[in-house]
Amino acid sequence: DIQMTQSPSSLSASVGDRVTITCRASQSISTYLNWYQQKPGKAPKLLIYVTSRLQSGVPSRFSGSGSGTDFTLTITSLQPEDFATYYCQQSYSTPLTFGGGTKVEIK
Amino acid sequence: EVQLLESGGGLVQPGGSLRLSCAASGFTFSSYAMSWVRQAPGKGLEWVSAISGSGGSTYSADSVKGRFTISRDNSKNILYLQMNSLRAEDTALYYCAKVKTRNCGGDCNFEYWGQGTLVTVSS
Repeated sequence: DIQMTQSPSSLSASVGDRVTITCRASQSISTYLNWYQQKPGKAPKLLIYVTSRLQSGVPSRFSGSGSGTDFTLTITSLQPEDFATYYCQQSYSTPLTFGGGTKVEIK
Repeated sequence: EVQLLESGGGLVQPGGSLRLSCAASGFTFSSYAMSWVRQAPGKGLEWVSAISGSGGSTYSADSVKGRFTISRDNSKNILYLQMNSLRAEDTALYYCAKVKTRNCGGDCNFEYWGQGTLVTVSS
């Protein structure tokens, strides 16, 4: 199985900050990496798929990059509604696997 | 508008069974793979199972293989998860999710999610 490791597990940031979350796969997954945002009590929401494609309706301050085993999600100019938990997920092969999550909190 | 409405969760004793359903609307159901993803209380996301648009291909996590069965009725636009031999560690909120593609053999990501149905396994 492909293991997905996110870092950090949590971070504190202020509105307007640039935030970067890292996801590392235990083996190459090409660009088959997706990012989700989950707010408390809500279902996850797809933000970015295939490493860098923005899901319809997602603000352009979200971006993704990487390939192989190392990937990043970047939020430029963090907004109040961005405080949430973010998960990466590999879609290269089954079993599909998620990272452990990164909780973005208000500083 | 895509809508996914899960039902069938509840309290069940260890070793028991439950069948979850997910009623889908707002898209051509048979054209897309579907999946179940679960989240234990206070924990992260765990993929459970997926099925192709035709229903001809299914995929499951090792943790549920041989116990859970995913299926779909394309005439009714409903996704199912039959869960047998339930264990305490199966306690979770179970989400139904629409996949972006027809098959889940590659590039399987979850475009839309329902609100989930809670399964509690306890004596």
